[in-house]
Amino acid sequence: EPEVTQTPSHQVTQMGQEVILRCVPISNHLYFYWYRQILGQKVEFLVSFYNNEISEKSEIFDDQFSVERPDGSNFTLKIRSTKLEDSAMYFCASSEDRGKNSPLHFGNGTRLTVT
Amino acid sequence: DAKTTQPNSMESNEEEPVHLPCNHSTISGTDYIHWYRQLPSQGPEYVIHGLTSNVNNRMASLAIAEDRKSSTLILHRATLRDAAVYYCILSFGNEKLTFGTGTRLTIIP
Repeated sequence: EPEVTQTPSHQVTQMGQEVILRCVPISNHLYFYWYRQILGQKVEFLVSFYNNEISEKSEIFDDQFSVERPDGSNFTLKIRSTKLEDSAMYFCASSEDRGKNSPLHFGNGTRLTVT
Repeated sequence: DAKTTQPNSMESNEEEPVHLPCNHSTISGTDYIHWYRQLPSQGPEYVIHGLTSNVNNRMASLAIAEDRKSSTLILHRATLRDAAVYYCILSFGNEKLTFGTGTRLTIIP
């Protein structure tokens, strides 16, 4: 069964550094998402992306965050200047279609540790 | 987003059926009921979803009350691999899924 893959599985960075988290969504999917989960807390929506633009974003997704689909297969999340509170699991997801009938397929995440 | 209420935790014996309840008394007519689960150290995984009628797939069944104010996810024969946090989520039709704290299901061998 096709799956969403994320790299790296674990990223350690120093505060203030830029990080790029990478995702390869399922190939025929058109909608892409990033979620995060701080240790012991809920899974939180960050951003959704369709047709090369952001379609929705949460309050968490401030100017320090950006997303890009640089080619036909990758989908990236960039954090420009990381803070300690950015430490979390970051999950990429994709769906075939938008809306109620289209399940999201999640990757297994990148654990980001900011020191 | 309409809110859902789930028990914090449940236990079940291996190879027995499991019924995971969810209350959603403020559900709107256009909300779909989605279930996802999260196994330890993994991303959320889609389980099943429905609108009004009961639904079955290879993973589980979804029983939806006639008034749609509650639903039950049914795992027909629990295995150790089903130990996870199960989330009941109402989808308003946009992409954003709002995860709650879910039900932590423990399977007893």
